[in-house]
Amino acid sequence: GAVVSQHPSWVICKSGTSVKIECRSLDFQATTMFWYRQFPKQSLMLMATSNEGSKATYEQGVEKDKFLINHASLTLSTLTVTSAHPEDSSFYICSARYSGASGNTDTQYFGPGTRLTVL
Amino acid sequence: GDSVTQMEGPVTLSEEAFLTINCTYTATGYPSLFWYVQYPGEGLQLLLKATKADDKGSNKGFEATYRKETTSFHLEKGSVQVSDSAVYFCALKGQGAQKLVFGQGTRLTINP
Repeated sequence: GAVVSQHPSWVICKSGTSVKIECRSLDFQATTMFWYRQFPKQSLMLMATSNEGSKATYEQGVEKDKFLINHASLTLSTLTVTSAHPEDSSFYICSARYSGASGNTDTQYFGPGTRLTVL
Repeated sequence: GDSVTQMEGPVTLSEEAFLTINCTYTATGYPSLFWYVQYPGEGLQLLLKATKADDKGSNKGFEATYRKETTSFHLEKGSVQVSDSAVYFCALKGQGAQKLVFGQGTRLTINP
């Protein structure tokens, strides 16, 4: 099946530093990737939709200058949390939508998530 | 806008019990409907889906039927196992839309 990986799986950083999270589709090409944020015991909040080769589309209330998204290739998208603060601590999850000629393009495949803790 | 409402958890059952997790939705047109499962410390995995009315999605003993007349997509399993303990999310993707809209999730705990 389609596999999406994230790296790192967890990260601890100091307040004010920037953190980059990678999301890769390992065995398929993904023209569209999504970034979510999940607070403890809560649902996923979509942060942005990332299309390969173009600027990400951010959801209302998400600071685009703080959460930089780059989707440089069909298998890689990155989320950079700039000048991180303790309130940015969360579980960040990416997903990728299969864009191949065969198979179902209606399904998103999720990465295992990255737990960010900002001290 | 589109929305998904799930039954509130947490839900605690004994092994081999019957499970129902209710999910209703609000959407225009004909959305696709999904159930995702999140095991502790992991990301979401697609459990099952249905793309049109009266479709039944099934996987690992779980089933859900797309009911347009009641705008529902309830998740059922006849006999749960301890390994089914997880958080279950109902979601929809609107017709022609890219993004998923998630319900709030239901935490399920199965006791031996």
